[in-house]
Amino acid sequence: QSALTQPASVSGSPGQSITISCTGTSSDVGGYNFVSWYQQHPGKAPKLMIYDVSKRPSGVSDRFSGSKSGNTASLTISGLQAEDEADYYCSSHTTSATYVFGTGTRVTVL
Amino acid sequence: EVQLVESGGGLVQPGRSLRLSCAASGFRFDDYDMHWVRQDSGRGLEWVSGISWNSGSILYVDSVKGRFTISRDNAKNSLYLQMNSLRPEDTALYYCVGVGRIFGRNWFDPWGQGTLVTVSS
Repeated sequence: QSALTQPASVSGSPGQSITISCTGTSSDVGGYNFVSWYQQHPGKAPKLMIYDVSKRPSGVSDRFSGSKSGNTASLTISGLQAEDEADYYCSSHTTSATYVFGTGTRVTVL
Repeated sequence: EVQLVESGGGLVQPGRSLRLSCAASGFRFDDYDMHWVRQDSGRGLEWVSGISWNSGSILYVDSVKGRFTISRDNAKNSLYLQMNSLRPEDTALYYCVGVGRIFGRNWFDPWGQGTLVTVSS
């Protein structure tokens, strides 16, 4: 039940694209297409941004996209905006029928 | 409006107990598996425990097994977490979260706003 590995921080200028990685194992990220991503602003509850690796819930900007290759999932934010500055967490279902979160990434808009 | 409202958090001494509650409204509670997720300011999000829609499946993270007990009352649209033998490392904001497994979903939505548990002497 080790946390998924994410970079501690990623930054970019407005309009640029950034990508956040989320590395697990074949028992979680690599074993299922059940990776989800959450955005969290300070003092707020996490918000679902991507589910099932690459699907966007209604109301989430199409600037957010997800993908997966092997044991690593990725979240890409294109056309970076000031409002995207937040913490981002990935999550995956596991072979133990539990869930595991990533270590979290702080996105800074320069 | 879909809403999850947690309560029961507070300051408690190490070794003591606390019971968290979560009241659901605005959606069909018994269509959702329910979970507790906690957040320590220094360590990000951690899945703690989950219970299936009919209480038939219950799971815990290793660090709370034998100390925490999750339960639900579908008639009252409520989720609970009984926390015994609390440790300082259990200090966190505890979120009540739904997973629509009955719909084939494996993501966390909706989320409550959290209740803060502080374990300290």
